[in-house]
Amino acid sequence: GNSVTQMEGPVTLSEEAFLTINCTYTATGYPSLFWYVQYPGEGLQLLLKATKADDKGSNKGFEATYRKETTSFHLEKGSVQVSDSAVYFCALRGGGYNKLIFGAGTRLAVHP
Amino acid sequence: SAVISQKPSRDICQRGTSLTIQCQVDSQVTMMFWYRQQPGQSLTLIATANQGSEATYESGFVIDKFPISRPNLTFSTLTVSNMSPEDSSIYLCSVARGTGNTGELFFGEGSRLTVL
Repeated sequence: GNSVTQMEGPVTLSEEAFLTINCTYTATGYPSLFWYVQYPGEGLQLLLKATKADDKGSNKGFEATYRKETTSFHLEKGSVQVSDSAVYFCALRGGGYNKLIFGAGTRLAVHP
Repeated sequence: SAVISQKPSRDICQRGTSLTIQCQVDSQVTMMFWYRQQPGQSLTLIATANQGSEATYESGFVIDKFPISRPNLTFSTLTVSNMSPEDSSIYLCSVARGTGNTGELFFGEGSRLTVL
């Protein structure tokens, strides 16, 4: 079945550092890919998405490119802020399924 | 987007009791989903609830433990039955816009249950 694998956390960075969180997937067909974010004490929010190969999703300085050849959707940000501290989930939907399938989540902690 | 309200937002429950979580959406939606997030873990789908049909449960989840109702296109309930401490989790309602299977899901704030 479909699945998502993302890098283990926690990831600890200093403010203004470059961020990469790796995400790879296994799916049949052509799923849509998502990054969701969960800030401390808050609900789950969509951060960005891409619906087909080579699409780049972007929001709040974060970017991720749908790479079908490597089945990846890595999340990047050039300069993180303390306010980016949260848990980030990679997810996919489609490929024959209606449900959203999540990766394990990666906790990011950014220090001043 | 969609505005999704869940009740209760949190509760402390005694072992052996049951609790019903309500999910209200601000507009009609075809597909609703119930997820569980155990402490420090990712989200796992419990079941898909489409109006007018029985809920479809994922492997490891059964109707007797997690009965779901979907009386109309804006409302659903999830009951956690005969609770044990292992049921302590955040339960989240989510919805999809449209009938396709590639769009994003929108999530409620979740219901945090603690079972003593």
